[in-house]
Amino acid sequence: SQQGEEDPQALSIQEGENATMNCSYKTSINNLQWYRQNSGRGLVHLILIRSNEREKHSGRLRVTLDTSKKSSSLLITASRAADTASYFCAFLNQAGTALIFGKGTTLSVSS
Amino acid sequence: DGGITQSPKYLFRKEGQNVTLSCEQNLNHDAMYWYRQDPGQGLRLIYYSQIVNDFQKGDIAEGYSVSREKKESFPLTVTSAQKNPTAFYLCASSMDRVGHQPQHFGDGTRLSIL
Repeated sequence: SQQGEEDPQALSIQEGENATMNCSYKTSINNLQWYRQNSGRGLVHLILIRSNEREKHSGRLRVTLDTSKKSSSLLITASRAADTASYFCAFLNQAGTALIFGKGTTLSVSS
Repeated sequence: DGGITQSPKYLFRKEGQNVTLSCEQNLNHDAMYWYRQDPGQGLRLIYYSQIVNDFQKGDIAEGYSVSREKKESFPLTVTSAQKNPTAFYLCASSMDRVGHQPQHFGDGTRLSIL
């Protein structure tokens, strides 16, 4: 299967703590993207990291990419209740025709 | 504000009925996509279109049909041939080629069987 896999499936933390979620994939990639989905809503693009980049930051988000291990991680620092959502990684399929999404990590941040 | 509008938010289908989900974007994006999301699952691609009057099947196209007569619009029809249509349907668009630009999503249509 080309599907990416996020780990863990679910994560519960307290406000102010950091949250780390991981994504593994099996194919060669051009880039990898992370998205957030609030309950009952559409996905929102967070960050895109290209295959020649190792780390990228956006506000409280830090994404790393290790192409040798075929894995990426998303770190959310100083989490807030508003960060409660599902987080998905996505990458291009081998045919180059579509994005493949993982099943997501569900993050719950309690105050 | 630019964005993607999906309608209706909730839709109910009777047995043997075709239903059409609307997706409109004012982002001037060339590419548009339809995904299906089942509970606790990731997104699966139904159809995509990279240009007007052209579209391609995704991984789960059976029982669905689309059209792309205008750049702004990419409606999805769930036909009676789709035996398990209950799901959350998401429409997305991107500036150009699949996978090289971020996708922008609508807020989805939840389809249920009566």
